Formats: sequence, C-alpha cells, structure tokens
Amino acid sequence: DAKTTQPPSMDCAEGRAANLPCNHSTISGNEYVYWYRQIHSQGPQYIIHGLKNNETNEMASLIITEDRKSSTLILPHATLRDTAVYYCIVSASNTGKLIFGQGTTLQVKP
Amino acid sequence: DTGVSQDPRHKITKRGQNVTFRCDPISEHNRLYWYRQTLGQGPEFLTYFQNEAQLEKSRLLSDRFSAERPKGSFSTLEIQRTEQGDSAMYLCASSSWGADTQYFGPGTRLTVL
Repeated sequence: DAKTTQPPSMDCAEGRAANLPCNHSTISGNEYVYWYRQIHSQGPQYIIHGLKNNETNEMASLIITEDRKSSTLILPHATLRDTAVYYCIVSASNTGKLIFGQGTTLQVKP
Repeated sequence: DTGVSQDPRHKITKRGQNVTFRCDPISEHNRLYWYRQTLGQGPEFLTYFQNEAQLEKSRLLSDRFSAERPKGSFSTLEIQRTEQGDSAMYLCASSSWGADTQYFGPGTRLTVL
C-alpha cells in the first residue's frame, strides 16, 4: 500500500502558484520523498525529491515539514501544460522501488 | 535523445497469445524497473534488475510473466497466454543506483481482445 495521502483533485488558475500537499506520517528516517507527474498516456516524469531539507529546481520547489510527516510541492507559475496527475511517493534508498498511490489530478484553468 | 525507450508503443493481441516487450534504459544505468498501470490507477511495481540480476518480483508477476536482462543492458518482459486482465500500460524505468532518481520510458500499451 502507498505510504502517502494526497487530495484526489485540485484546480489552479493559470499563472498562479499551485501548492500540492502530501501526508506521509509513517515515513522512516531513510526514506526520500519523491514527486512525479503523469500527463495523459505518457510515462511518469520526475519532478523533484528530498530527504529533510527543502529543495528547488527549475520545475518546482519541495517543502518538507520539520517532522517530515508532510510535504508540499509548489509549481510557482502554473501553465496549462502543468495539467497532470501528480504523485507523491516515499522510497527507501536500498530498494529504490516506487509505490504509487492515486495521486492528485491538477487541473490548471485559463 | 538518450532517455528510456520502449518498444512497441502499442500492442493489440488476442487472448491466449504470447507478447514480448523491450526496454532500453539510459546508458550506464545499472538498475531497471518494470511497472504496470491500469486505467485510473497509479503504476504498480512488478520487478527490478540490478545489472543482469533480478532482485525482486512482485506478487503481481504471475507465472505467465517473465522478465530478463541478459547482458545488463536492455530488458524484455514476456507475457505468455495473455488474458484480458493483462490489458494495461507497461512502464519501464531506470536509475543509476538504488537511491537515485528513476526515469521512465513512454510505456507500452497492451490491449488483449
């Protein structure tokens, strides 16, 4: 079973920041938080990952709470092309296998 | 482009036939993963290889499924005696080591009639 809980759907206005929450209250000390997204009929696309510290790359920012029980993915200026299913995943470093949940369907509206 | 590639992209077959899919990982990635995704669900882990060794198989991988990675480079996933329940997207991903990011291919969509 997935170790994360995400809202099933969210809307965001184009040009605004999209903040996608994720709960992972049972996360272990060696588990990373990964975010992927999947646009219809394509393979999942890696976005960002982190262990303890907040992370930022050209696509997004990842904010992890101090107790590591939840995180937020931030898309700073959402575009229509960001409409996708976003998956939050916790993954142990030894096996690397990803356990996907249902994800959040983000709909960016004009 | 040196991303993960999968072939074919689409496969339609009749129930009872055998099918084989191929995955070419990113060059020098020593881990290769197979996932299956049915409509409306997230991908589900099937199996993974480190170099040519198959290290873990999911309970989802029935006896009709077999995966190989003979030289530690490309991998094949074969389904024997296909059933309608095998209809899904089969995804391949690769990473350079266990904790590194997995990069996914475009998937092979299988339809069993």
